[in-house]
Amino acid sequence: NAGVTQTPKFQVLKTGQSMTLQCAQDMNHEYMSWYRQDPGMGLRLIHYSVGAGITDQGEVPNGYNVSRSTTEDFPLRLLSAAPSQTSVYFCASRDSYNSPLHFGNGTRLTVT
Amino acid sequence: SQKIEQNSEALNIQEGKTATLTCNYTNYSPAYLQWYRQDPGRGPVFLLLIRENEKEKRKERLKVTFDTTLKQSLFHITASQPADSATYLCALERGSQGNLIFGKGTKLSVKP
Repeated sequence: NAGVTQTPKFQVLKTGQSMTLQCAQDMNHEYMSWYRQDPGMGLRLIHYSVGAGITDQGEVPNGYNVSRSTTEDFPLRLLSAAPSQTSVYFCASRDSYNSPLHFGNGTRLTVT
Repeated sequence: SQKIEQNSEALNIQEGKTATLTCNYTNYSPAYLQWYRQDPGRGPVFLLLIRENEKEKRKERLKVTFDTTLKQSLFHITASQPADSATYLCALERGSQGNLIFGKGTKLSVKP
């Protein structure tokens, strides 16, 4: 009964380094999304996908890339990390248009 | 642009009382609204969904109302318990893909 699994839980990067945040779900959900959560800002949508091979931008996409080669996986890539990307990142999936989001437990990223 | 506001950052109440949290939105008419609970270090967990044609929805000690004229939702927890202490988020669907935008949350503390 895994649901949405995010790895790693914690990560520290230096400015300019790249990394990929992993997200996998085992519920066969077509829709997946990435949010970042910052103090005082709430959850903000970075990118989302409505199915394998289809991705689109959310409200804060700059500095992030995504791909969706399978239904299960939706990795988030930071090509050149910046201190402004220090945040907690959540991956979420859902079954259909108006069904609830299922969230992972987040990746806490610090960029120094 | 659409705006969603939860008008209290924090709410402190005594055990056994009813907690009432408010969510207001502007510049939009969502088809539905959702409430989530978030505990420290964890991802949000879905609680309730209410549609625009529903005035009220209940689940155990939880009650949500949705007033599309006032553009407001109220979230009530009756007979509150210390275990109800958490941050509560409201979320609205936006756009043709139904992406959710979130309020910043209200941190509820229930004192024994």
